[in-house]
Amino acid sequence: KNQVEQSPQSLIILEGKNCTLQCNYTVSPFSNLRWYKQDTGRGPVSLTIMTFSENTKSNGRYTATLDADTKQSSLHITASQLSDSASYICVVILTLYNNNDMRFGAGTRLTVKP
Amino acid sequence: DTGVSQDPRHKITKRGQNVTFRCDPISEHNRLYWYRQTLGQGPEFLTYFQNEAQLEKSRLLSDRFSAERPKGSFSTLEIQRTEQGDSAMYLCASTGPGLAIGTGELFFGEGSRLTVL
Repeated sequence: KNQVEQSPQSLIILEGKNCTLQCNYTVSPFSNLRWYKQDTGRGPVSLTIMTFSENTKSNGRYTATLDADTKQSSLHITASQLSDSASYICVVILTLYNNNDMRFGAGTRLTVKP
Repeated sequence: DTGVSQDPRHKITKRGQNVTFRCDPISEHNRLYWYRQTLGQGPEFLTYFQNEAQLEKSRLLSDRFSAERPKGSFSTLEIQRTEQGDSAMYLCASTGPGLAIGTGELFFGEGSRLTVL
């Protein structure tokens, strides 16, 4: 069982609509959580990072939330655009001292239709 | 372009052949990672270099796989005697000494897609 579970696996929405992607994790000790956007056939690009003390962080139309008690994070996309079509990957960083100790979710595949 | 570059972008080979991928990280970055990603999955860690030292290898990295970073700059990932199960996207990522360890900020290349027939 993957230690970082993302839902839904895929999502189709109309342009201009909002959506929320979920990330639940079971790994510990938790240090940070990062959301990446991956366009088809490209490498992932970081969207935002959440530390254990942060509850919410915005980056333009993207807002990430974190509940470290329930080990849940969400990524909310407002007023979706066609260019938001991509996979969104949740990554949990386990410790402050080992940068390669990261656990990746399988991603949510978002399709925005006109 | 000062991003992470990977070559080739696409490689089609027959089962049993050897393939080699190259990664050129961002020039000031001392840490370099290789990941494998199959369709519909997130990246899976393969190996990690700090400068020229290979510090960690995943169990996924069988003895058919070898990675090098001879001068602490570019890196190569070689797969010998390829199998159909090796078909995947191979991603390289780098991060630098100025970025706090543990933030997980990786700069990924565009990936090298391998198809083994």
